[in-house]
Amino acid sequence: GDSVTQMEGPVTLSEEAFLTINCTYTATGYPSLFWYVQYPGEGLQLLLKATKADDKGSNKGFEATYRKETTSFHLEKGSVQVSDSAVYFCAYSGAGSYQLTFGKGTKLSVIP
Amino acid sequence: EAGVAQSPRYKIIEKRQSVAFWCNPISGHATLYWYQQILGQGPKLLIQFQNNGVVDDSQLPKDRFSAERLKGVDSTLKIQPAKLEDSAVYLCASSHSGSHQETQYFGPGTRLLVL
Repeated sequence: GDSVTQMEGPVTLSEEAFLTINCTYTATGYPSLFWYVQYPGEGLQLLLKATKADDKGSNKGFEATYRKETTSFHLEKGSVQVSDSAVYFCAYSGAGSYQLTFGKGTKLSVIP
Repeated sequence: EAGVAQSPRYKIIEKRQSVAFWCNPISGHATLYWYQQILGQGPKLLIQFQNNGVVDDSQLPKDRFSAERLKGVDSTLKIQPAKLEDSAVYLCASSHSGSHQETQYFGPGTRLLVL
């Protein structure tokens, strides 16, 4: 069935390090892909999204490119900050289906 | 613009008791979703409404869970009777029209602990 697999955590990085969180999906057709973030004590919020192949979503220095050939949507940031410490969820929504299917989440901790 | 509102924020009950959660979506959003997020996992859709009609409730445990969205605005999710495995965060989300390309906006969630 349709699913999302993302990198297991937790991930601990030093400030200004490069971040990659891998995400791959299994779905038919052309889904829309999302990264949501959950900061400590807060609700889920959209970080970025891409709705068609080769699109790049970007926000707050984070980027992810919709790669249909590898069914991936990896999240990257060139220089992380302490304030980026949060749980990151990869998700997709398939054409013809309204629901979001989420990965298990990756907890990121950035230390000064 | 006001976000998605949920209440209560926390609830502790004993197993076999009943509990209800309330959600007020963003004004003008036709589509409302309830998700269950168990600790260490991603949210899982329980039910989706389009206006006041149910679009998808295939993952809702209907023997104990029920939900309604009267007048196509606010929604309530009820559990009766609760089981230990219902301990989770219950998230409400809304979107403008429910297209798969749209962003879903989430509320802060209700954290339920069943003892």
